[in-house]
Amino acid sequence: QVQLQESGPGLVKPSETLSLTCTVSGGSISSYYWSWIRQPPGKGLEWIGYINYSGSTNYNPSLKSRATISLDTSKNQFSLKLSSVTAADTAVYYCAGGYTTTVIDYWGQGTLVTVSS
Amino acid sequence: EIVMTQSPATLSVSPGEGATLSCRASQSVGSKLAWYQQKPGQAPRLLIYGASTRATGIPARFSGSGSGTEFTLTISSLQSEDFAVYYCQQYKNWPITFGQGTRLEIK
Repeated sequence: QVQLQESGPGLVKPSETLSLTCTVSGGSISSYYWSWIRQPPGKGLEWIGYINYSGSTNYNPSLKSRATISLDTSKNQFSLKLSSVTAADTAVYYCAGGYTTTVIDYWGQGTLVTVSS
Repeated sequence: EIVMTQSPATLSVSPGEGATLSCRASQSVGSKLAWYQQKPGQAPRLLIYGASTRATGIPARFSGSGSGTEFTLTISSLQSEDFAVYYCQQYKNWPITFGQGTRLEIK
C-alpha cells in the first residue's frame, strides 16, 4: 500500500517561498503520477499541479506560474515550491498520487502551512 | 475553467435513510467525474470515478450516476461513518476542479 508523508515548515512569511516535500513509501515513485492539492481552512479543494515519472509537469493557471513541482527518484520524494506567498496561500497542503493524472488514489495526511509575518 | 456546483450545501439525514447529492458542471465533462468523501481532520478518499465506478473497497451502498453536466451521488441506508463532506471533481479539462462540497450531517 502506497503511503505519503508531507514535511516542511508550518509557517512562512509573506513574499517568501513555501517549500514542501512528500516522501513516498510502499511503492515506486516511477509508477504513479504525483500531485499537490491544497485546502484553505474551512474551504474546498484546489489542485495545484502534478508531475509524472519522467518529470513532465502541469500547473493550475490560477497560481500564475508561482508553483514548481519536482521529483527526486533516488529518495522516492517529490516536492512543491510556491513563491511569493500571501495570506491567501494559507492552507492544508496534501501530497497525492494516482495511476493517472485524473483522480487521486493515495493521499498524504496533509500539512497546514500558515503565511504570516 | 470548468466550474462545479454542488447542492445542497448541507443535507441533514437520519441514519438508515438514503441521501442524494447533486453536482452540476458548467460545461459537459462526459463521464469524467469523480466523488470523494472527507471526514474532519482527514484527507479525502476516492469513492467513485468515471461517474459511476466504485473505487476499490467502497461499499455498494454508494452509487454514482449521470453524464454531461448533471451528476448524482446516492448513498443508501446511511451508516454513522458516512456523515462527512462530499466533493465532486471533474477531470475532463485542465485545471481539474472540485465542487465546493456538500456536508452530510446527522438529523
